[in-house]
Amino acid sequence: EAQVTQNPRYLITVTGKKLTVTCSQNMNHEYMSWYRQDPGLGLRQIYYSMNVEVTDKGDVPEGYKVSRKEKRNFPLILESPSPNQTSLYFCASSLYGGPNEQFFGPGTRLTVL
Amino acid sequence: GENVEQHPSTLSVQEGDSAVIKCTYSDSASNYFPWYKQELGKGPQLIIDIRSNVGEKKDQRIAVTLNKTAKHFSLHITETQPEDSAVYFCAAPDSSYKLIFGSGTRLLVRP
Repeated sequence: EAQVTQNPRYLITVTGKKLTVTCSQNMNHEYMSWYRQDPGLGLRQIYYSMNVEVTDKGDVPEGYKVSRKEKRNFPLILESPSPNQTSLYFCASSLYGGPNEQFFGPGTRLTVL
Repeated sequence: GENVEQHPSTLSVQEGDSAVIKCTYSDSASNYFPWYKQELGKGPQLIIDIRSNVGEKKDQRIAVTLNKTAKHFSLHITETQPEDSAVYFCAAPDSSYKLIFGSGTRLLVRP
């Protein structure tokens, strides 16, 4: 089944404790992206990747890191999480960047205490 | 950069009635306008999209209209059913083709 998977689905952590949220897609998509969803703000892009080893900042990149060492994986790293990073996170992929359908993962709900 | 505004933020309709959600965008160069549906506990899923060379597109009970002059586009759902209850997002690309999403509309279809 073609899909985007994320792990973990739920995470409660404390301020400053490094964490990684994994994202994997099995559709051989070149483009991958991370969004955060907050009430009243819609989906805001954190980072995106046009292809392997190519990453770029989105609208809200502060406090996050990403890497794209393999085509299928695009992990999101929070080196020192803070409470304002409490949010619902989505990974997405599409065949190419630009005006194409994006396929979203099921989401990761993160709480930083 | 692109700015997308979406209204209303919440919408409650009776089953069988129609629902309309509206979005405006700021970048006149935008040429692709998707709509995503997000069901509870799931990620958004594309339900319909329209490109700037057409003014309307239909897919069964859903349709999207585009007015490039006024820079707005709308999602129309006819004969609403309880399973249409979800959060809907519109989006438009900015100059670097990154999708900018609206703030979302929570649609409730009352049985």
